[in-house]
Amino acid sequence: DTEVTQTPKHLVMGMTNKKSLKCEQHMGHRAMYWYKQKAKKPPELMFVYSYEKLSINESVPSRFSPECPNSSLLNLHLHALQPEDSALYLCASSQDNGPPPQHFGDGTRLSIL
Amino acid sequence: QKEVEQNSGPLSVPEGAIASLNCTYSDRVSQSFFWYRQYSGKSPELIMSIYSNGDKEDGRFTAQLNKASQYVSLLIRDSQPSDSATYLCAVNRYITGGGNKLTFGTGTQLKVEL
Repeated sequence: DTEVTQTPKHLVMGMTNKKSLKCEQHMGHRAMYWYKQKAKKPPELMFVYSYEKLSINESVPSRFSPECPNSSLLNLHLHALQPEDSALYLCASSQDNGPPPQHFGDGTRLSIL
Repeated sequence: QKEVEQNSGPLSVPEGAIASLNCTYSDRVSQSFFWYRQYSGKSPELIMSIYSNGDKEDGRFTAQLNKASQYVSLLIRDSQPSDSATYLCAVNRYITGGGNKLTFGTGTQLKVEL
């Protein structure tokens, strides 16, 4: 079990659906991250939130919309996704002072039909 | 040149041997370095972090950092079959405006054989 909780664990959706991925941490971390990982590839950074403000968007298509309602929660809203968006979506968190490690959740495995 | 480079493997070692995993990085302003272990279908698990030149030991794991050579390594002593996984080298840079950017290598697949 990890201290970063992601829901759902698995999600199958059609290209016209709207869904959301959720991430929660209670470690008092002030930075939260979304990564995308395709099979046999390393995680790729998508978004970084620091103190609930978006600090990095790695040129992610607008069909992915992040939201950080408070310091413990991070959402990723999905709309009009493409089959190539099928991947493991990982949430991570870290303290935001000094060089912290990032702690990952178990991920959401997303399949787009 | 990739930002973080690792040999993809697979690296096969017999049980009880030392496994040596290597990583080079290109960004000289990188400040901290991590090794993550990832089992198939699972999320990355942090196993070592290192911030200054030299060696850092934790149980069977030793991380080595040489900033002048832009080189990080991970040694696993007394390798066990349960160590069979993909090992991801990650290089961190603090971002102005907040947060940290982790860049991962492609990972080295380690197989520990009985």
